[in-house]
Amino acid sequence: DVKVTQSSRYLVKRTGEKVFLECVQDMDHENMFWYRQDPGLGLRLIYFSYDVKMKEKGDIPEGYSVSREKKERFSLILESASTNQTSMYLCASSAGRGQEFQAFFGQGTRLTVV
Amino acid sequence: GEDVEQSLFLSVREGDSSVINCTYTDSSSTYLYWYKQEPGAGLQLLTYIFSNMDMKQDQRLTVLLNKKDKHLSLRIADTQTGDSAIYFCAGTRGQGGKLIFGQGTELSVKP
Repeated sequence: DVKVTQSSRYLVKRTGEKVFLECVQDMDHENMFWYRQDPGLGLRLIYFSYDVKMKEKGDIPEGYSVSREKKERFSLILESASTNQTSMYLCASSAGRGQEFQAFFGQGTRLTVV
Repeated sequence: GEDVEQSLFLSVREGDSSVINCTYTDSSSTYLYWYKQEPGAGLQLLTYIFSNMDMKQDQRLTVLLNKKDKHLSLRIADTQTGDSAIYFCAGTRGQGGKLIFGQGTELSVKP
């Protein structure tokens, strides 16, 4: 079974903390994604990585950074957490260019910033 | 406007057909997708259509693609209570694999 694993289902952090969300996939996929999901706004792309150490900004990158040092792992970093970053965060992976871009998703991390 | 747009809610009676609509702006997307999210779960691919097709049927699911109007729809025949979920359409932006989603349509099926 294909698998995308996010390190936590629920997190509670304080305003100003540096927060790391980890995602690991076991399918040898080139592409990895971080989205946040908010009611009425759907999934909004934060960052996209198409190869190790390669990344592209999505639609809402402000306040976030990412790291992809190994192909299977894609980390989302909140440099200084704020209450407006309270959300559900979804990681996904997909195969590379020229193929069907079917994405496989993790279960999500519900982050609350207090 | 947004790359991919959907209406937010749809309510149907069990046994009826459901039609969920989506419009998109980027015509370079090679494939267009429908994902399903059940409560408390991540997204799962439901079906997809290649951009040079007009229709694809997969059991109770029918996908229609109107490239001229950039309109995608998902029809679910004989809708069941287990079909209650949020349905997302998605496409790729640009030449790479950047996957962009709509806002999601929450389908509620009443017995």
